[in-house]
Amino acid sequence: DIQMAQSPFSVSASVGDRVTITCRASQDISTWLAWYQQKPGKAPKLLIYDVSTLQSGVPSRFSGSGSGTHFTLTISNLQPEDFATYYCQQANSFPFTFGPGTKVDVK
Amino acid sequence: EVQLLESGGGLGQPGGSLRLSCAASGFTFSSYSMDWVRQGPGKGLEWISRINKRGGTTHYADSVKGRFTISRDNSRGTLYLQMNSLRVEDTAVYYCTRPPRPTYCSGNTCSADGWFDPWGQGTLVIVSS
Repeated sequence: DIQMAQSPFSVSASVGDRVTITCRASQDISTWLAWYQQKPGKAPKLLIYDVSTLQSGVPSRFSGSGSGTHFTLTISNLQPEDFATYYCQQANSFPFTFGPGTKVDVK
Repeated sequence: EVQLLESGGGLGQPGGSLRLSCAASGFTFSSYSMDWVRQGPGKGLEWISRINKRGGTTHYADSVKGRFTISRDNSRGTLYLQMNSLRVEDTAVYYCTRPPRPTYCSGNTCSADGWFDPWGQGTLVIVSS
């Protein structure tokens, strides 16, 4: 199985900050990577797929990059509604696997 | 509006069984692969199973293989998860979800995206004696 690792485990930030989350795959997954946002008590929401393609309706302050085994999610100009937990997920092969999550909270 | 509505969660006994359902509406159910993803209390997301659009091909995570069975009824627009030999570690919110796009086919080869949107609201399964 492909293992996904994320860093940091959590990050404290302020509105207006730029936040970067890193995701690493245990083997080459090309560009088969997605990012999700989850708020407490809610289902996850797809933000980005295919490394860098924004899902419809997702603000342009979210961006993704990378390929192979190293990927990043960047939130530019952090907004109050962005405080949440973020997960990466590989879609290269079964079983699909998620990273452990990165919590973005208020500094 | 696309909707996925899970039901069937509740309290199950270790070694017992539960059957989850997911009623789909607002889209052509038979055109999409469907998935189950779960989240243990205070834990991350775990993909557990996929079924292709016709129901002929299934995939499972090792943690549930041989115990859980995914199935679908395209005439009813409903996805199922039969959960047998329940374990305490199966305690989780179970989400029904699907790829954002319909399955696409080229010749005899069909593929579905491996990411998920939308998601249902989830149904809580608690396994405890």
